[in-house]
Amino acid sequence: GQQVMQIPQYQHVQEGEDFTTYCNSSTTLSNIQWYKQRPGGHPVFLIQLVKSGEVKKQKRLTFQFGEAKKNSSLHITATQTTDVGTYFCAGPQGRGQAGTALIFGKGTTLSVSS
Amino acid sequence: DVKVTQSSRYLVKRTGEKVFLECVQDMDHENMFWYRQDPGLGLRLIYFSYDVKMKEKGDIPEGYSVSREKKERFSLILESASTNQTSMYLCASSRLLRGTQYFGPGTRLTVL
Repeated sequence: GQQVMQIPQYQHVQEGEDFTTYCNSSTTLSNIQWYKQRPGGHPVFLIQLVKSGEVKKQKRLTFQFGEAKKNSSLHITATQTTDVGTYFCAGPQGRGQAGTALIFGKGTTLSVSS
Repeated sequence: DVKVTQSSRYLVKRTGEKVFLECVQDMDHENMFWYRQDPGLGLRLIYFSYDVKMKEKGDIPEGYSVSREKKERFSLILESASTNQTSMYLCASSRLLRGTQYFGPGTRLTVL
């Protein structure tokens, strides 16, 4: 079935270094969403990308959607300790009579040392 | 702000007990979801509901059932709890099935 893969599973960086997580789908996605889960918290929506080749920025975070709409990336410039957490990508998957629902990648857990 | 609440943050149950996890959302969303989250396995969809009394199996429905009698409330039921159901359970809701999901704070269930 359809899969959404994320790499790496874990990443440790020094504060101030850059960080990138990659998301790859086995099928073309109509959109891709990114969520962040802080330690002890719940996933919180960050952004949605819809168009092929789309790039969106949120302060130090840059999100890209691939030309083929099968991959995406999240890049954080100059990480801070507040960036710690697990980042998930998610894309729509066909689901029986209901139509579609999101399938989540397994996430990339970022740790930052100061 | 969208608010999704779950009945308990922590729950301890014994093997064989029937367990009810409740989720309530206040945004009049059509769709509600139950996930379990385990280290290294990400968010795995158990069941979801796209309308009152309508449900669809997710990726790991075995050992679980759900109930959606009212639009704002979605319940997850463990008919006979087992130790391998010890996990963090997250509820979410969304306006569109493929749309942004809003998560509750989670229930950490321990089955002894």
